[in-house]
Amino acid sequence: EIVLTQSPGTLSLSPGERATLSCRASQSGFSKYIAWYQQKPGQAPRLLIYVASNRATGIPDRFSGSGSGTDFTLTITRLEPEDSAVYYCQQYGTSPNTFGQGTKLEIK
Amino acid sequence: EVQLVESGGGVVRPGGSLRLSCAASGFTFDDYGMTWVRQVPGKGLEWVSAINWDGGETGYADSLKGRFTISRDNAKKSLFLQMNSLRAEDTALYYCARLYHSSGWELEAFDLWGQGTMVTVSS
Repeated sequence: EIVLTQSPGTLSLSPGERATLSCRASQSGFSKYIAWYQQKPGQAPRLLIYVASNRATGIPDRFSGSGSGTDFTLTITRLEPEDSAVYYCQQYGTSPNTFGQGTKLEIK
Repeated sequence: EVQLVESGGGVVRPGGSLRLSCAASGFTFDDYGMTWVRQVPGKGLEWVSAINWDGGETGYADSLKGRFTISRDNAKKSLFLQMNSLRAEDTALYYCARLYHSSGWELEAFDLWGQGTMVTVSS
């Protein structure tokens, strides 16, 4: 199965700054079937990005995805306090679909 | 309101069985593939299983094959997960989710999630 490694493990930034979250796959072959989710404490995950760069319904344009091959990035601009959460990447192009271990984003 | 509500979790002894349910509302259930994802509290997400719109196609995580069975009842707008031969490592919060814009069981992200039902396997 494809292993997704997210970095950094924790990111601490201030409001208004830009966050760059990385997701690296152990192998290619899943095309651009990468999704990003946001999960806040006590809540279910929320879909942010699908097919690497498409924003899901209702997601603000501060959130953007990019990448290809085995390296993908989630960028969040103009950070707000409510962006504090754990962010997961997922590949769903190859079965079994797999998730990264998550990046915790803290807003100071 | 568009939502998914899971139920059926609880405490079960190792080797026991449990059947989880997920009730859908606010959308046309049989237009979508559905999936189960689990999460050990404080840990990451793990895909469990998925099913296409009519139940004719399914997929499972390799580690679960033969123990878990996914099914659905479109007339009742419900998704199910039958879990047999449960182990301590199956302890987790189980989410049901909808495949985004897809009636299949694969090649799609998950756009609508329930709040989860907790399964604890312990003697």
